[in-house]
Amino acid sequence: RKEVEQDPGPFNVPEGATVAFNCTYSNSASQSFFWYRQDCRKEPKLLMSVYSSGNEDGRFTAQLNRASQYISLLIRDSKLSDSATYLCVVKDFQKLVFGTGTRLLVSP
Amino acid sequence: DVKVTQSSRYLVKRTGEKVFLECVQDMDHENMFWYRQDPGLGLRLIYFSYDVKMKEKGDIPEGYSVSREKKERFSLILESASTNQTSMYLCASSLRAPLADGYTFGSGTRLTVV
Repeated sequence: RKEVEQDPGPFNVPEGATVAFNCTYSNSASQSFFWYRQDCRKEPKLLMSVYSSGNEDGRFTAQLNRASQYISLLIRDSKLSDSATYLCVVKDFQKLVFGTGTRLLVSP
Repeated sequence: DVKVTQSSRYLVKRTGEKVFLECVQDMDHENMFWYRQDPGLGLRLIYFSYDVKMKEKGDIPEGYSVSREKKERFSLILESASTNQTSMYLCASSLRAPLADGYTFGSGTRLTVV
């Protein structure tokens, strides 16, 4: 079983839609969690950290469920510029372990 | 703005060549990492370093070595390039602790081995 698993998508949504991605992780001792965004042929960039109590940054909401070992990302009011691959990332000691990413395509 | 700089954006090398990929960061970060990214496989850790002159194997170190003589520079070496090492190589750095801010990545080197 992979350490971090994501649905590869693509998720095709119209502008203005709400879309959610889930991610599961296998190591129950994992300490920190992140969502990264990667545009085509570019490097990954940190989108947001995921805190135990859940956190929100504008249109983006991240949730953590330790009991079920999954992380979610909710995007409200999708914009064309949200089209990208979203990487779920889990901290394993000093290393980050990346999921393979979920591709989002937002259309007009 | 803080930066991680990779020396080459695109590189084409021949099978059997020794290849050096350079990465420099200007953030005084202790930790540095080399990943490769392939379609369907995501980012896989090759080597990492927590300090000058130290290195640790990641998940796929075979065929690679690294060098960290200075804090700001972390080099990835392909001892004898092979076609299965054709990939996107990403360097990253971070503070040792805490890891709240995750990694900062370089813009990547797309290596083709022919």
